[in-house]
Amino acid sequence: GNSVTQMEGPVTLSEEAFLTINCTYTATGYPSLFWYVQYPGEGLQLLLKATKADDKGSNKGFEATYRKETTSFHLEKGSVQVSDSAVYFCALSDRTGANNLFFGTGTRLTVIP
Amino acid sequence: DTEVTQTPKHLVMGMTNKKSLKCEQHMGHRAMYWYKQKAKKPPELMFVYSYEKLSINESVPSRFSPECPNSSLLNLHLHALQPEDSALYLCASSQVSGRGETQYFGPGTRLLVL
Repeated sequence: GNSVTQMEGPVTLSEEAFLTINCTYTATGYPSLFWYVQYPGEGLQLLLKATKADDKGSNKGFEATYRKETTSFHLEKGSVQVSDSAVYFCALSDRTGANNLFFGTGTRLTVIP
Repeated sequence: DTEVTQTPKHLVMGMTNKKSLKCEQHMGHRAMYWYKQKAKKPPELMFVYSYEKLSINESVPSRFSPECPNSSLLNLHLHALQPEDSALYLCASSQVSGRGETQYFGPGTRLLVL
């Protein structure tokens, strides 16, 4: 079956620190992988995505590489800002079903000045 | 433009009320979704519409009734809800259903049932 395992939070970092949020997945076939971000009181925003092995998704300084050999899609950012404080969800969508999104549990990030 | 809009932003209702949530997209997407999100949890899928037809109902109680009047609109009719139904209700859309397509989410309606 399909599932996503995401690094437990919460994560607290100082401004300009390096961020890694781990995400591993189990899937039948070759899924698309996503990172969504949810700012306080808001809906989910697509942060980045990758649709095949070795693809790198990037946006707003965040990056994640689709690693088939380790079934991982870790989120990284070189220098976080206070405005990056949010909940981050890793998700996968397989190509065989009705486009269900399988979410990880979410990781809350707080960046302090 | 990847915008999905939802109204209202907030809703308070009693257990005997009838209300509706509305979702709209103008991206030409043919798949639309309703999710329920409780605090500190990921979204849970409720319904999927593909080409205006209901394709997935994730065993949602009948007090939630979805409707897709056309390819741009999705409604969720609410009746006789329970306090445990209080949550953030998210709408999403994608070009088609399946094939690992990207889902784009709206800002959500925060529902409180008293």
